[in-house]
Amino acid sequence: LAKTTQPISMDSYEGQEVNITCSHNNIATNDYITWYQQFPSQGPRFIIQGYKTKVTNEVASLFIPADRKSSTLSLPRVSLSDTAVYYCLEAGENTGFQKLVFGTGTRLLVSP
Amino acid sequence: EPEVTQTPSHQVTQMGQEVILRCVPISNHLYFYWYRQILGQKVEFLVSFYNNEISEKSEIFDDQFSVERPDGSNFTLKIRSTKLEDSAMYFCASSGGQGSTNEKLFFGSGTQLSVL
Repeated sequence: LAKTTQPISMDSYEGQEVNITCSHNNIATNDYITWYQQFPSQGPRFIIQGYKTKVTNEVASLFIPADRKSSTLSLPRVSLSDTAVYYCLEAGENTGFQKLVFGTGTRLLVSP
Repeated sequence: EPEVTQTPSHQVTQMGQEVILRCVPISNHLYFYWYRQILGQKVEFLVSFYNNEISEKSEIFDDQFSVERPDGSNFTLKIRSTKLEDSAMYFCASSGGQGSTNEKLFFGSGTQLSVL
C-alpha cells in the first residue's frame, strides 16, 4: 500500500518551472524522501533524495518542510523530454530502503 | 553512467512454460532486486538478494519464482510455470549496498514478458 499521495497528472509547457507536491502524512522518523522518474517502457530512474530542508542537484530541487509532511519536486525549465511519470517514495531502515513502495505517480505532460 | 542490463527485452511464452529473465547488475553493487509492472499498474517489489541469498520478498514472490546469481555477473529470475497473470514488465535493479539508509537503486530497462 502506497504511503504517499500525489496528483495523478500535471500539464506544463516547455521552459516553465514545474513543482510536484507529495504528501507524507505518516512518514517514519528515519525515512528519507526519494523521487524517481519513469519514461514509457523503461525502468524508474532516481532523481533526488533528501531528509529535510532543500536539496539540489543538476536535474532538480527537492524542498522538504520542517514537519516533513510533504515534499516538493521542482523541475526548472522543463523540456519535452521531461514528459514522464514522477514518483515520490519513502525509504529507510524501518520501511526497508531496498523494498521501494511505488504509488501511481504523477504523469507530467510537457507540451511545446 | 553505469547501467543495469536486462535480456531479452521481450519474451513471449506459452502458459505453463518456464522462463528465465536475465540481468547484469552494475559490477560493484552488492544488492540485487526484481520488480514488476503490469501494464497500466504500479511498479511492484518482488524480491531483494544479498550475499547469495534472498533478503526480502513480497507475497507475489511465491514458490513459482526463484532467483539466482549463477556467476559473478549475472542475476536471474525464473518463473517455473508461467500463468497469464505473470504477463508484465520485469525490472531488475541493483544498489551499492554500503549499508546506508538512503540507498539509490539503479533499474534496468526491463523485460516485457507476455504469457499466451
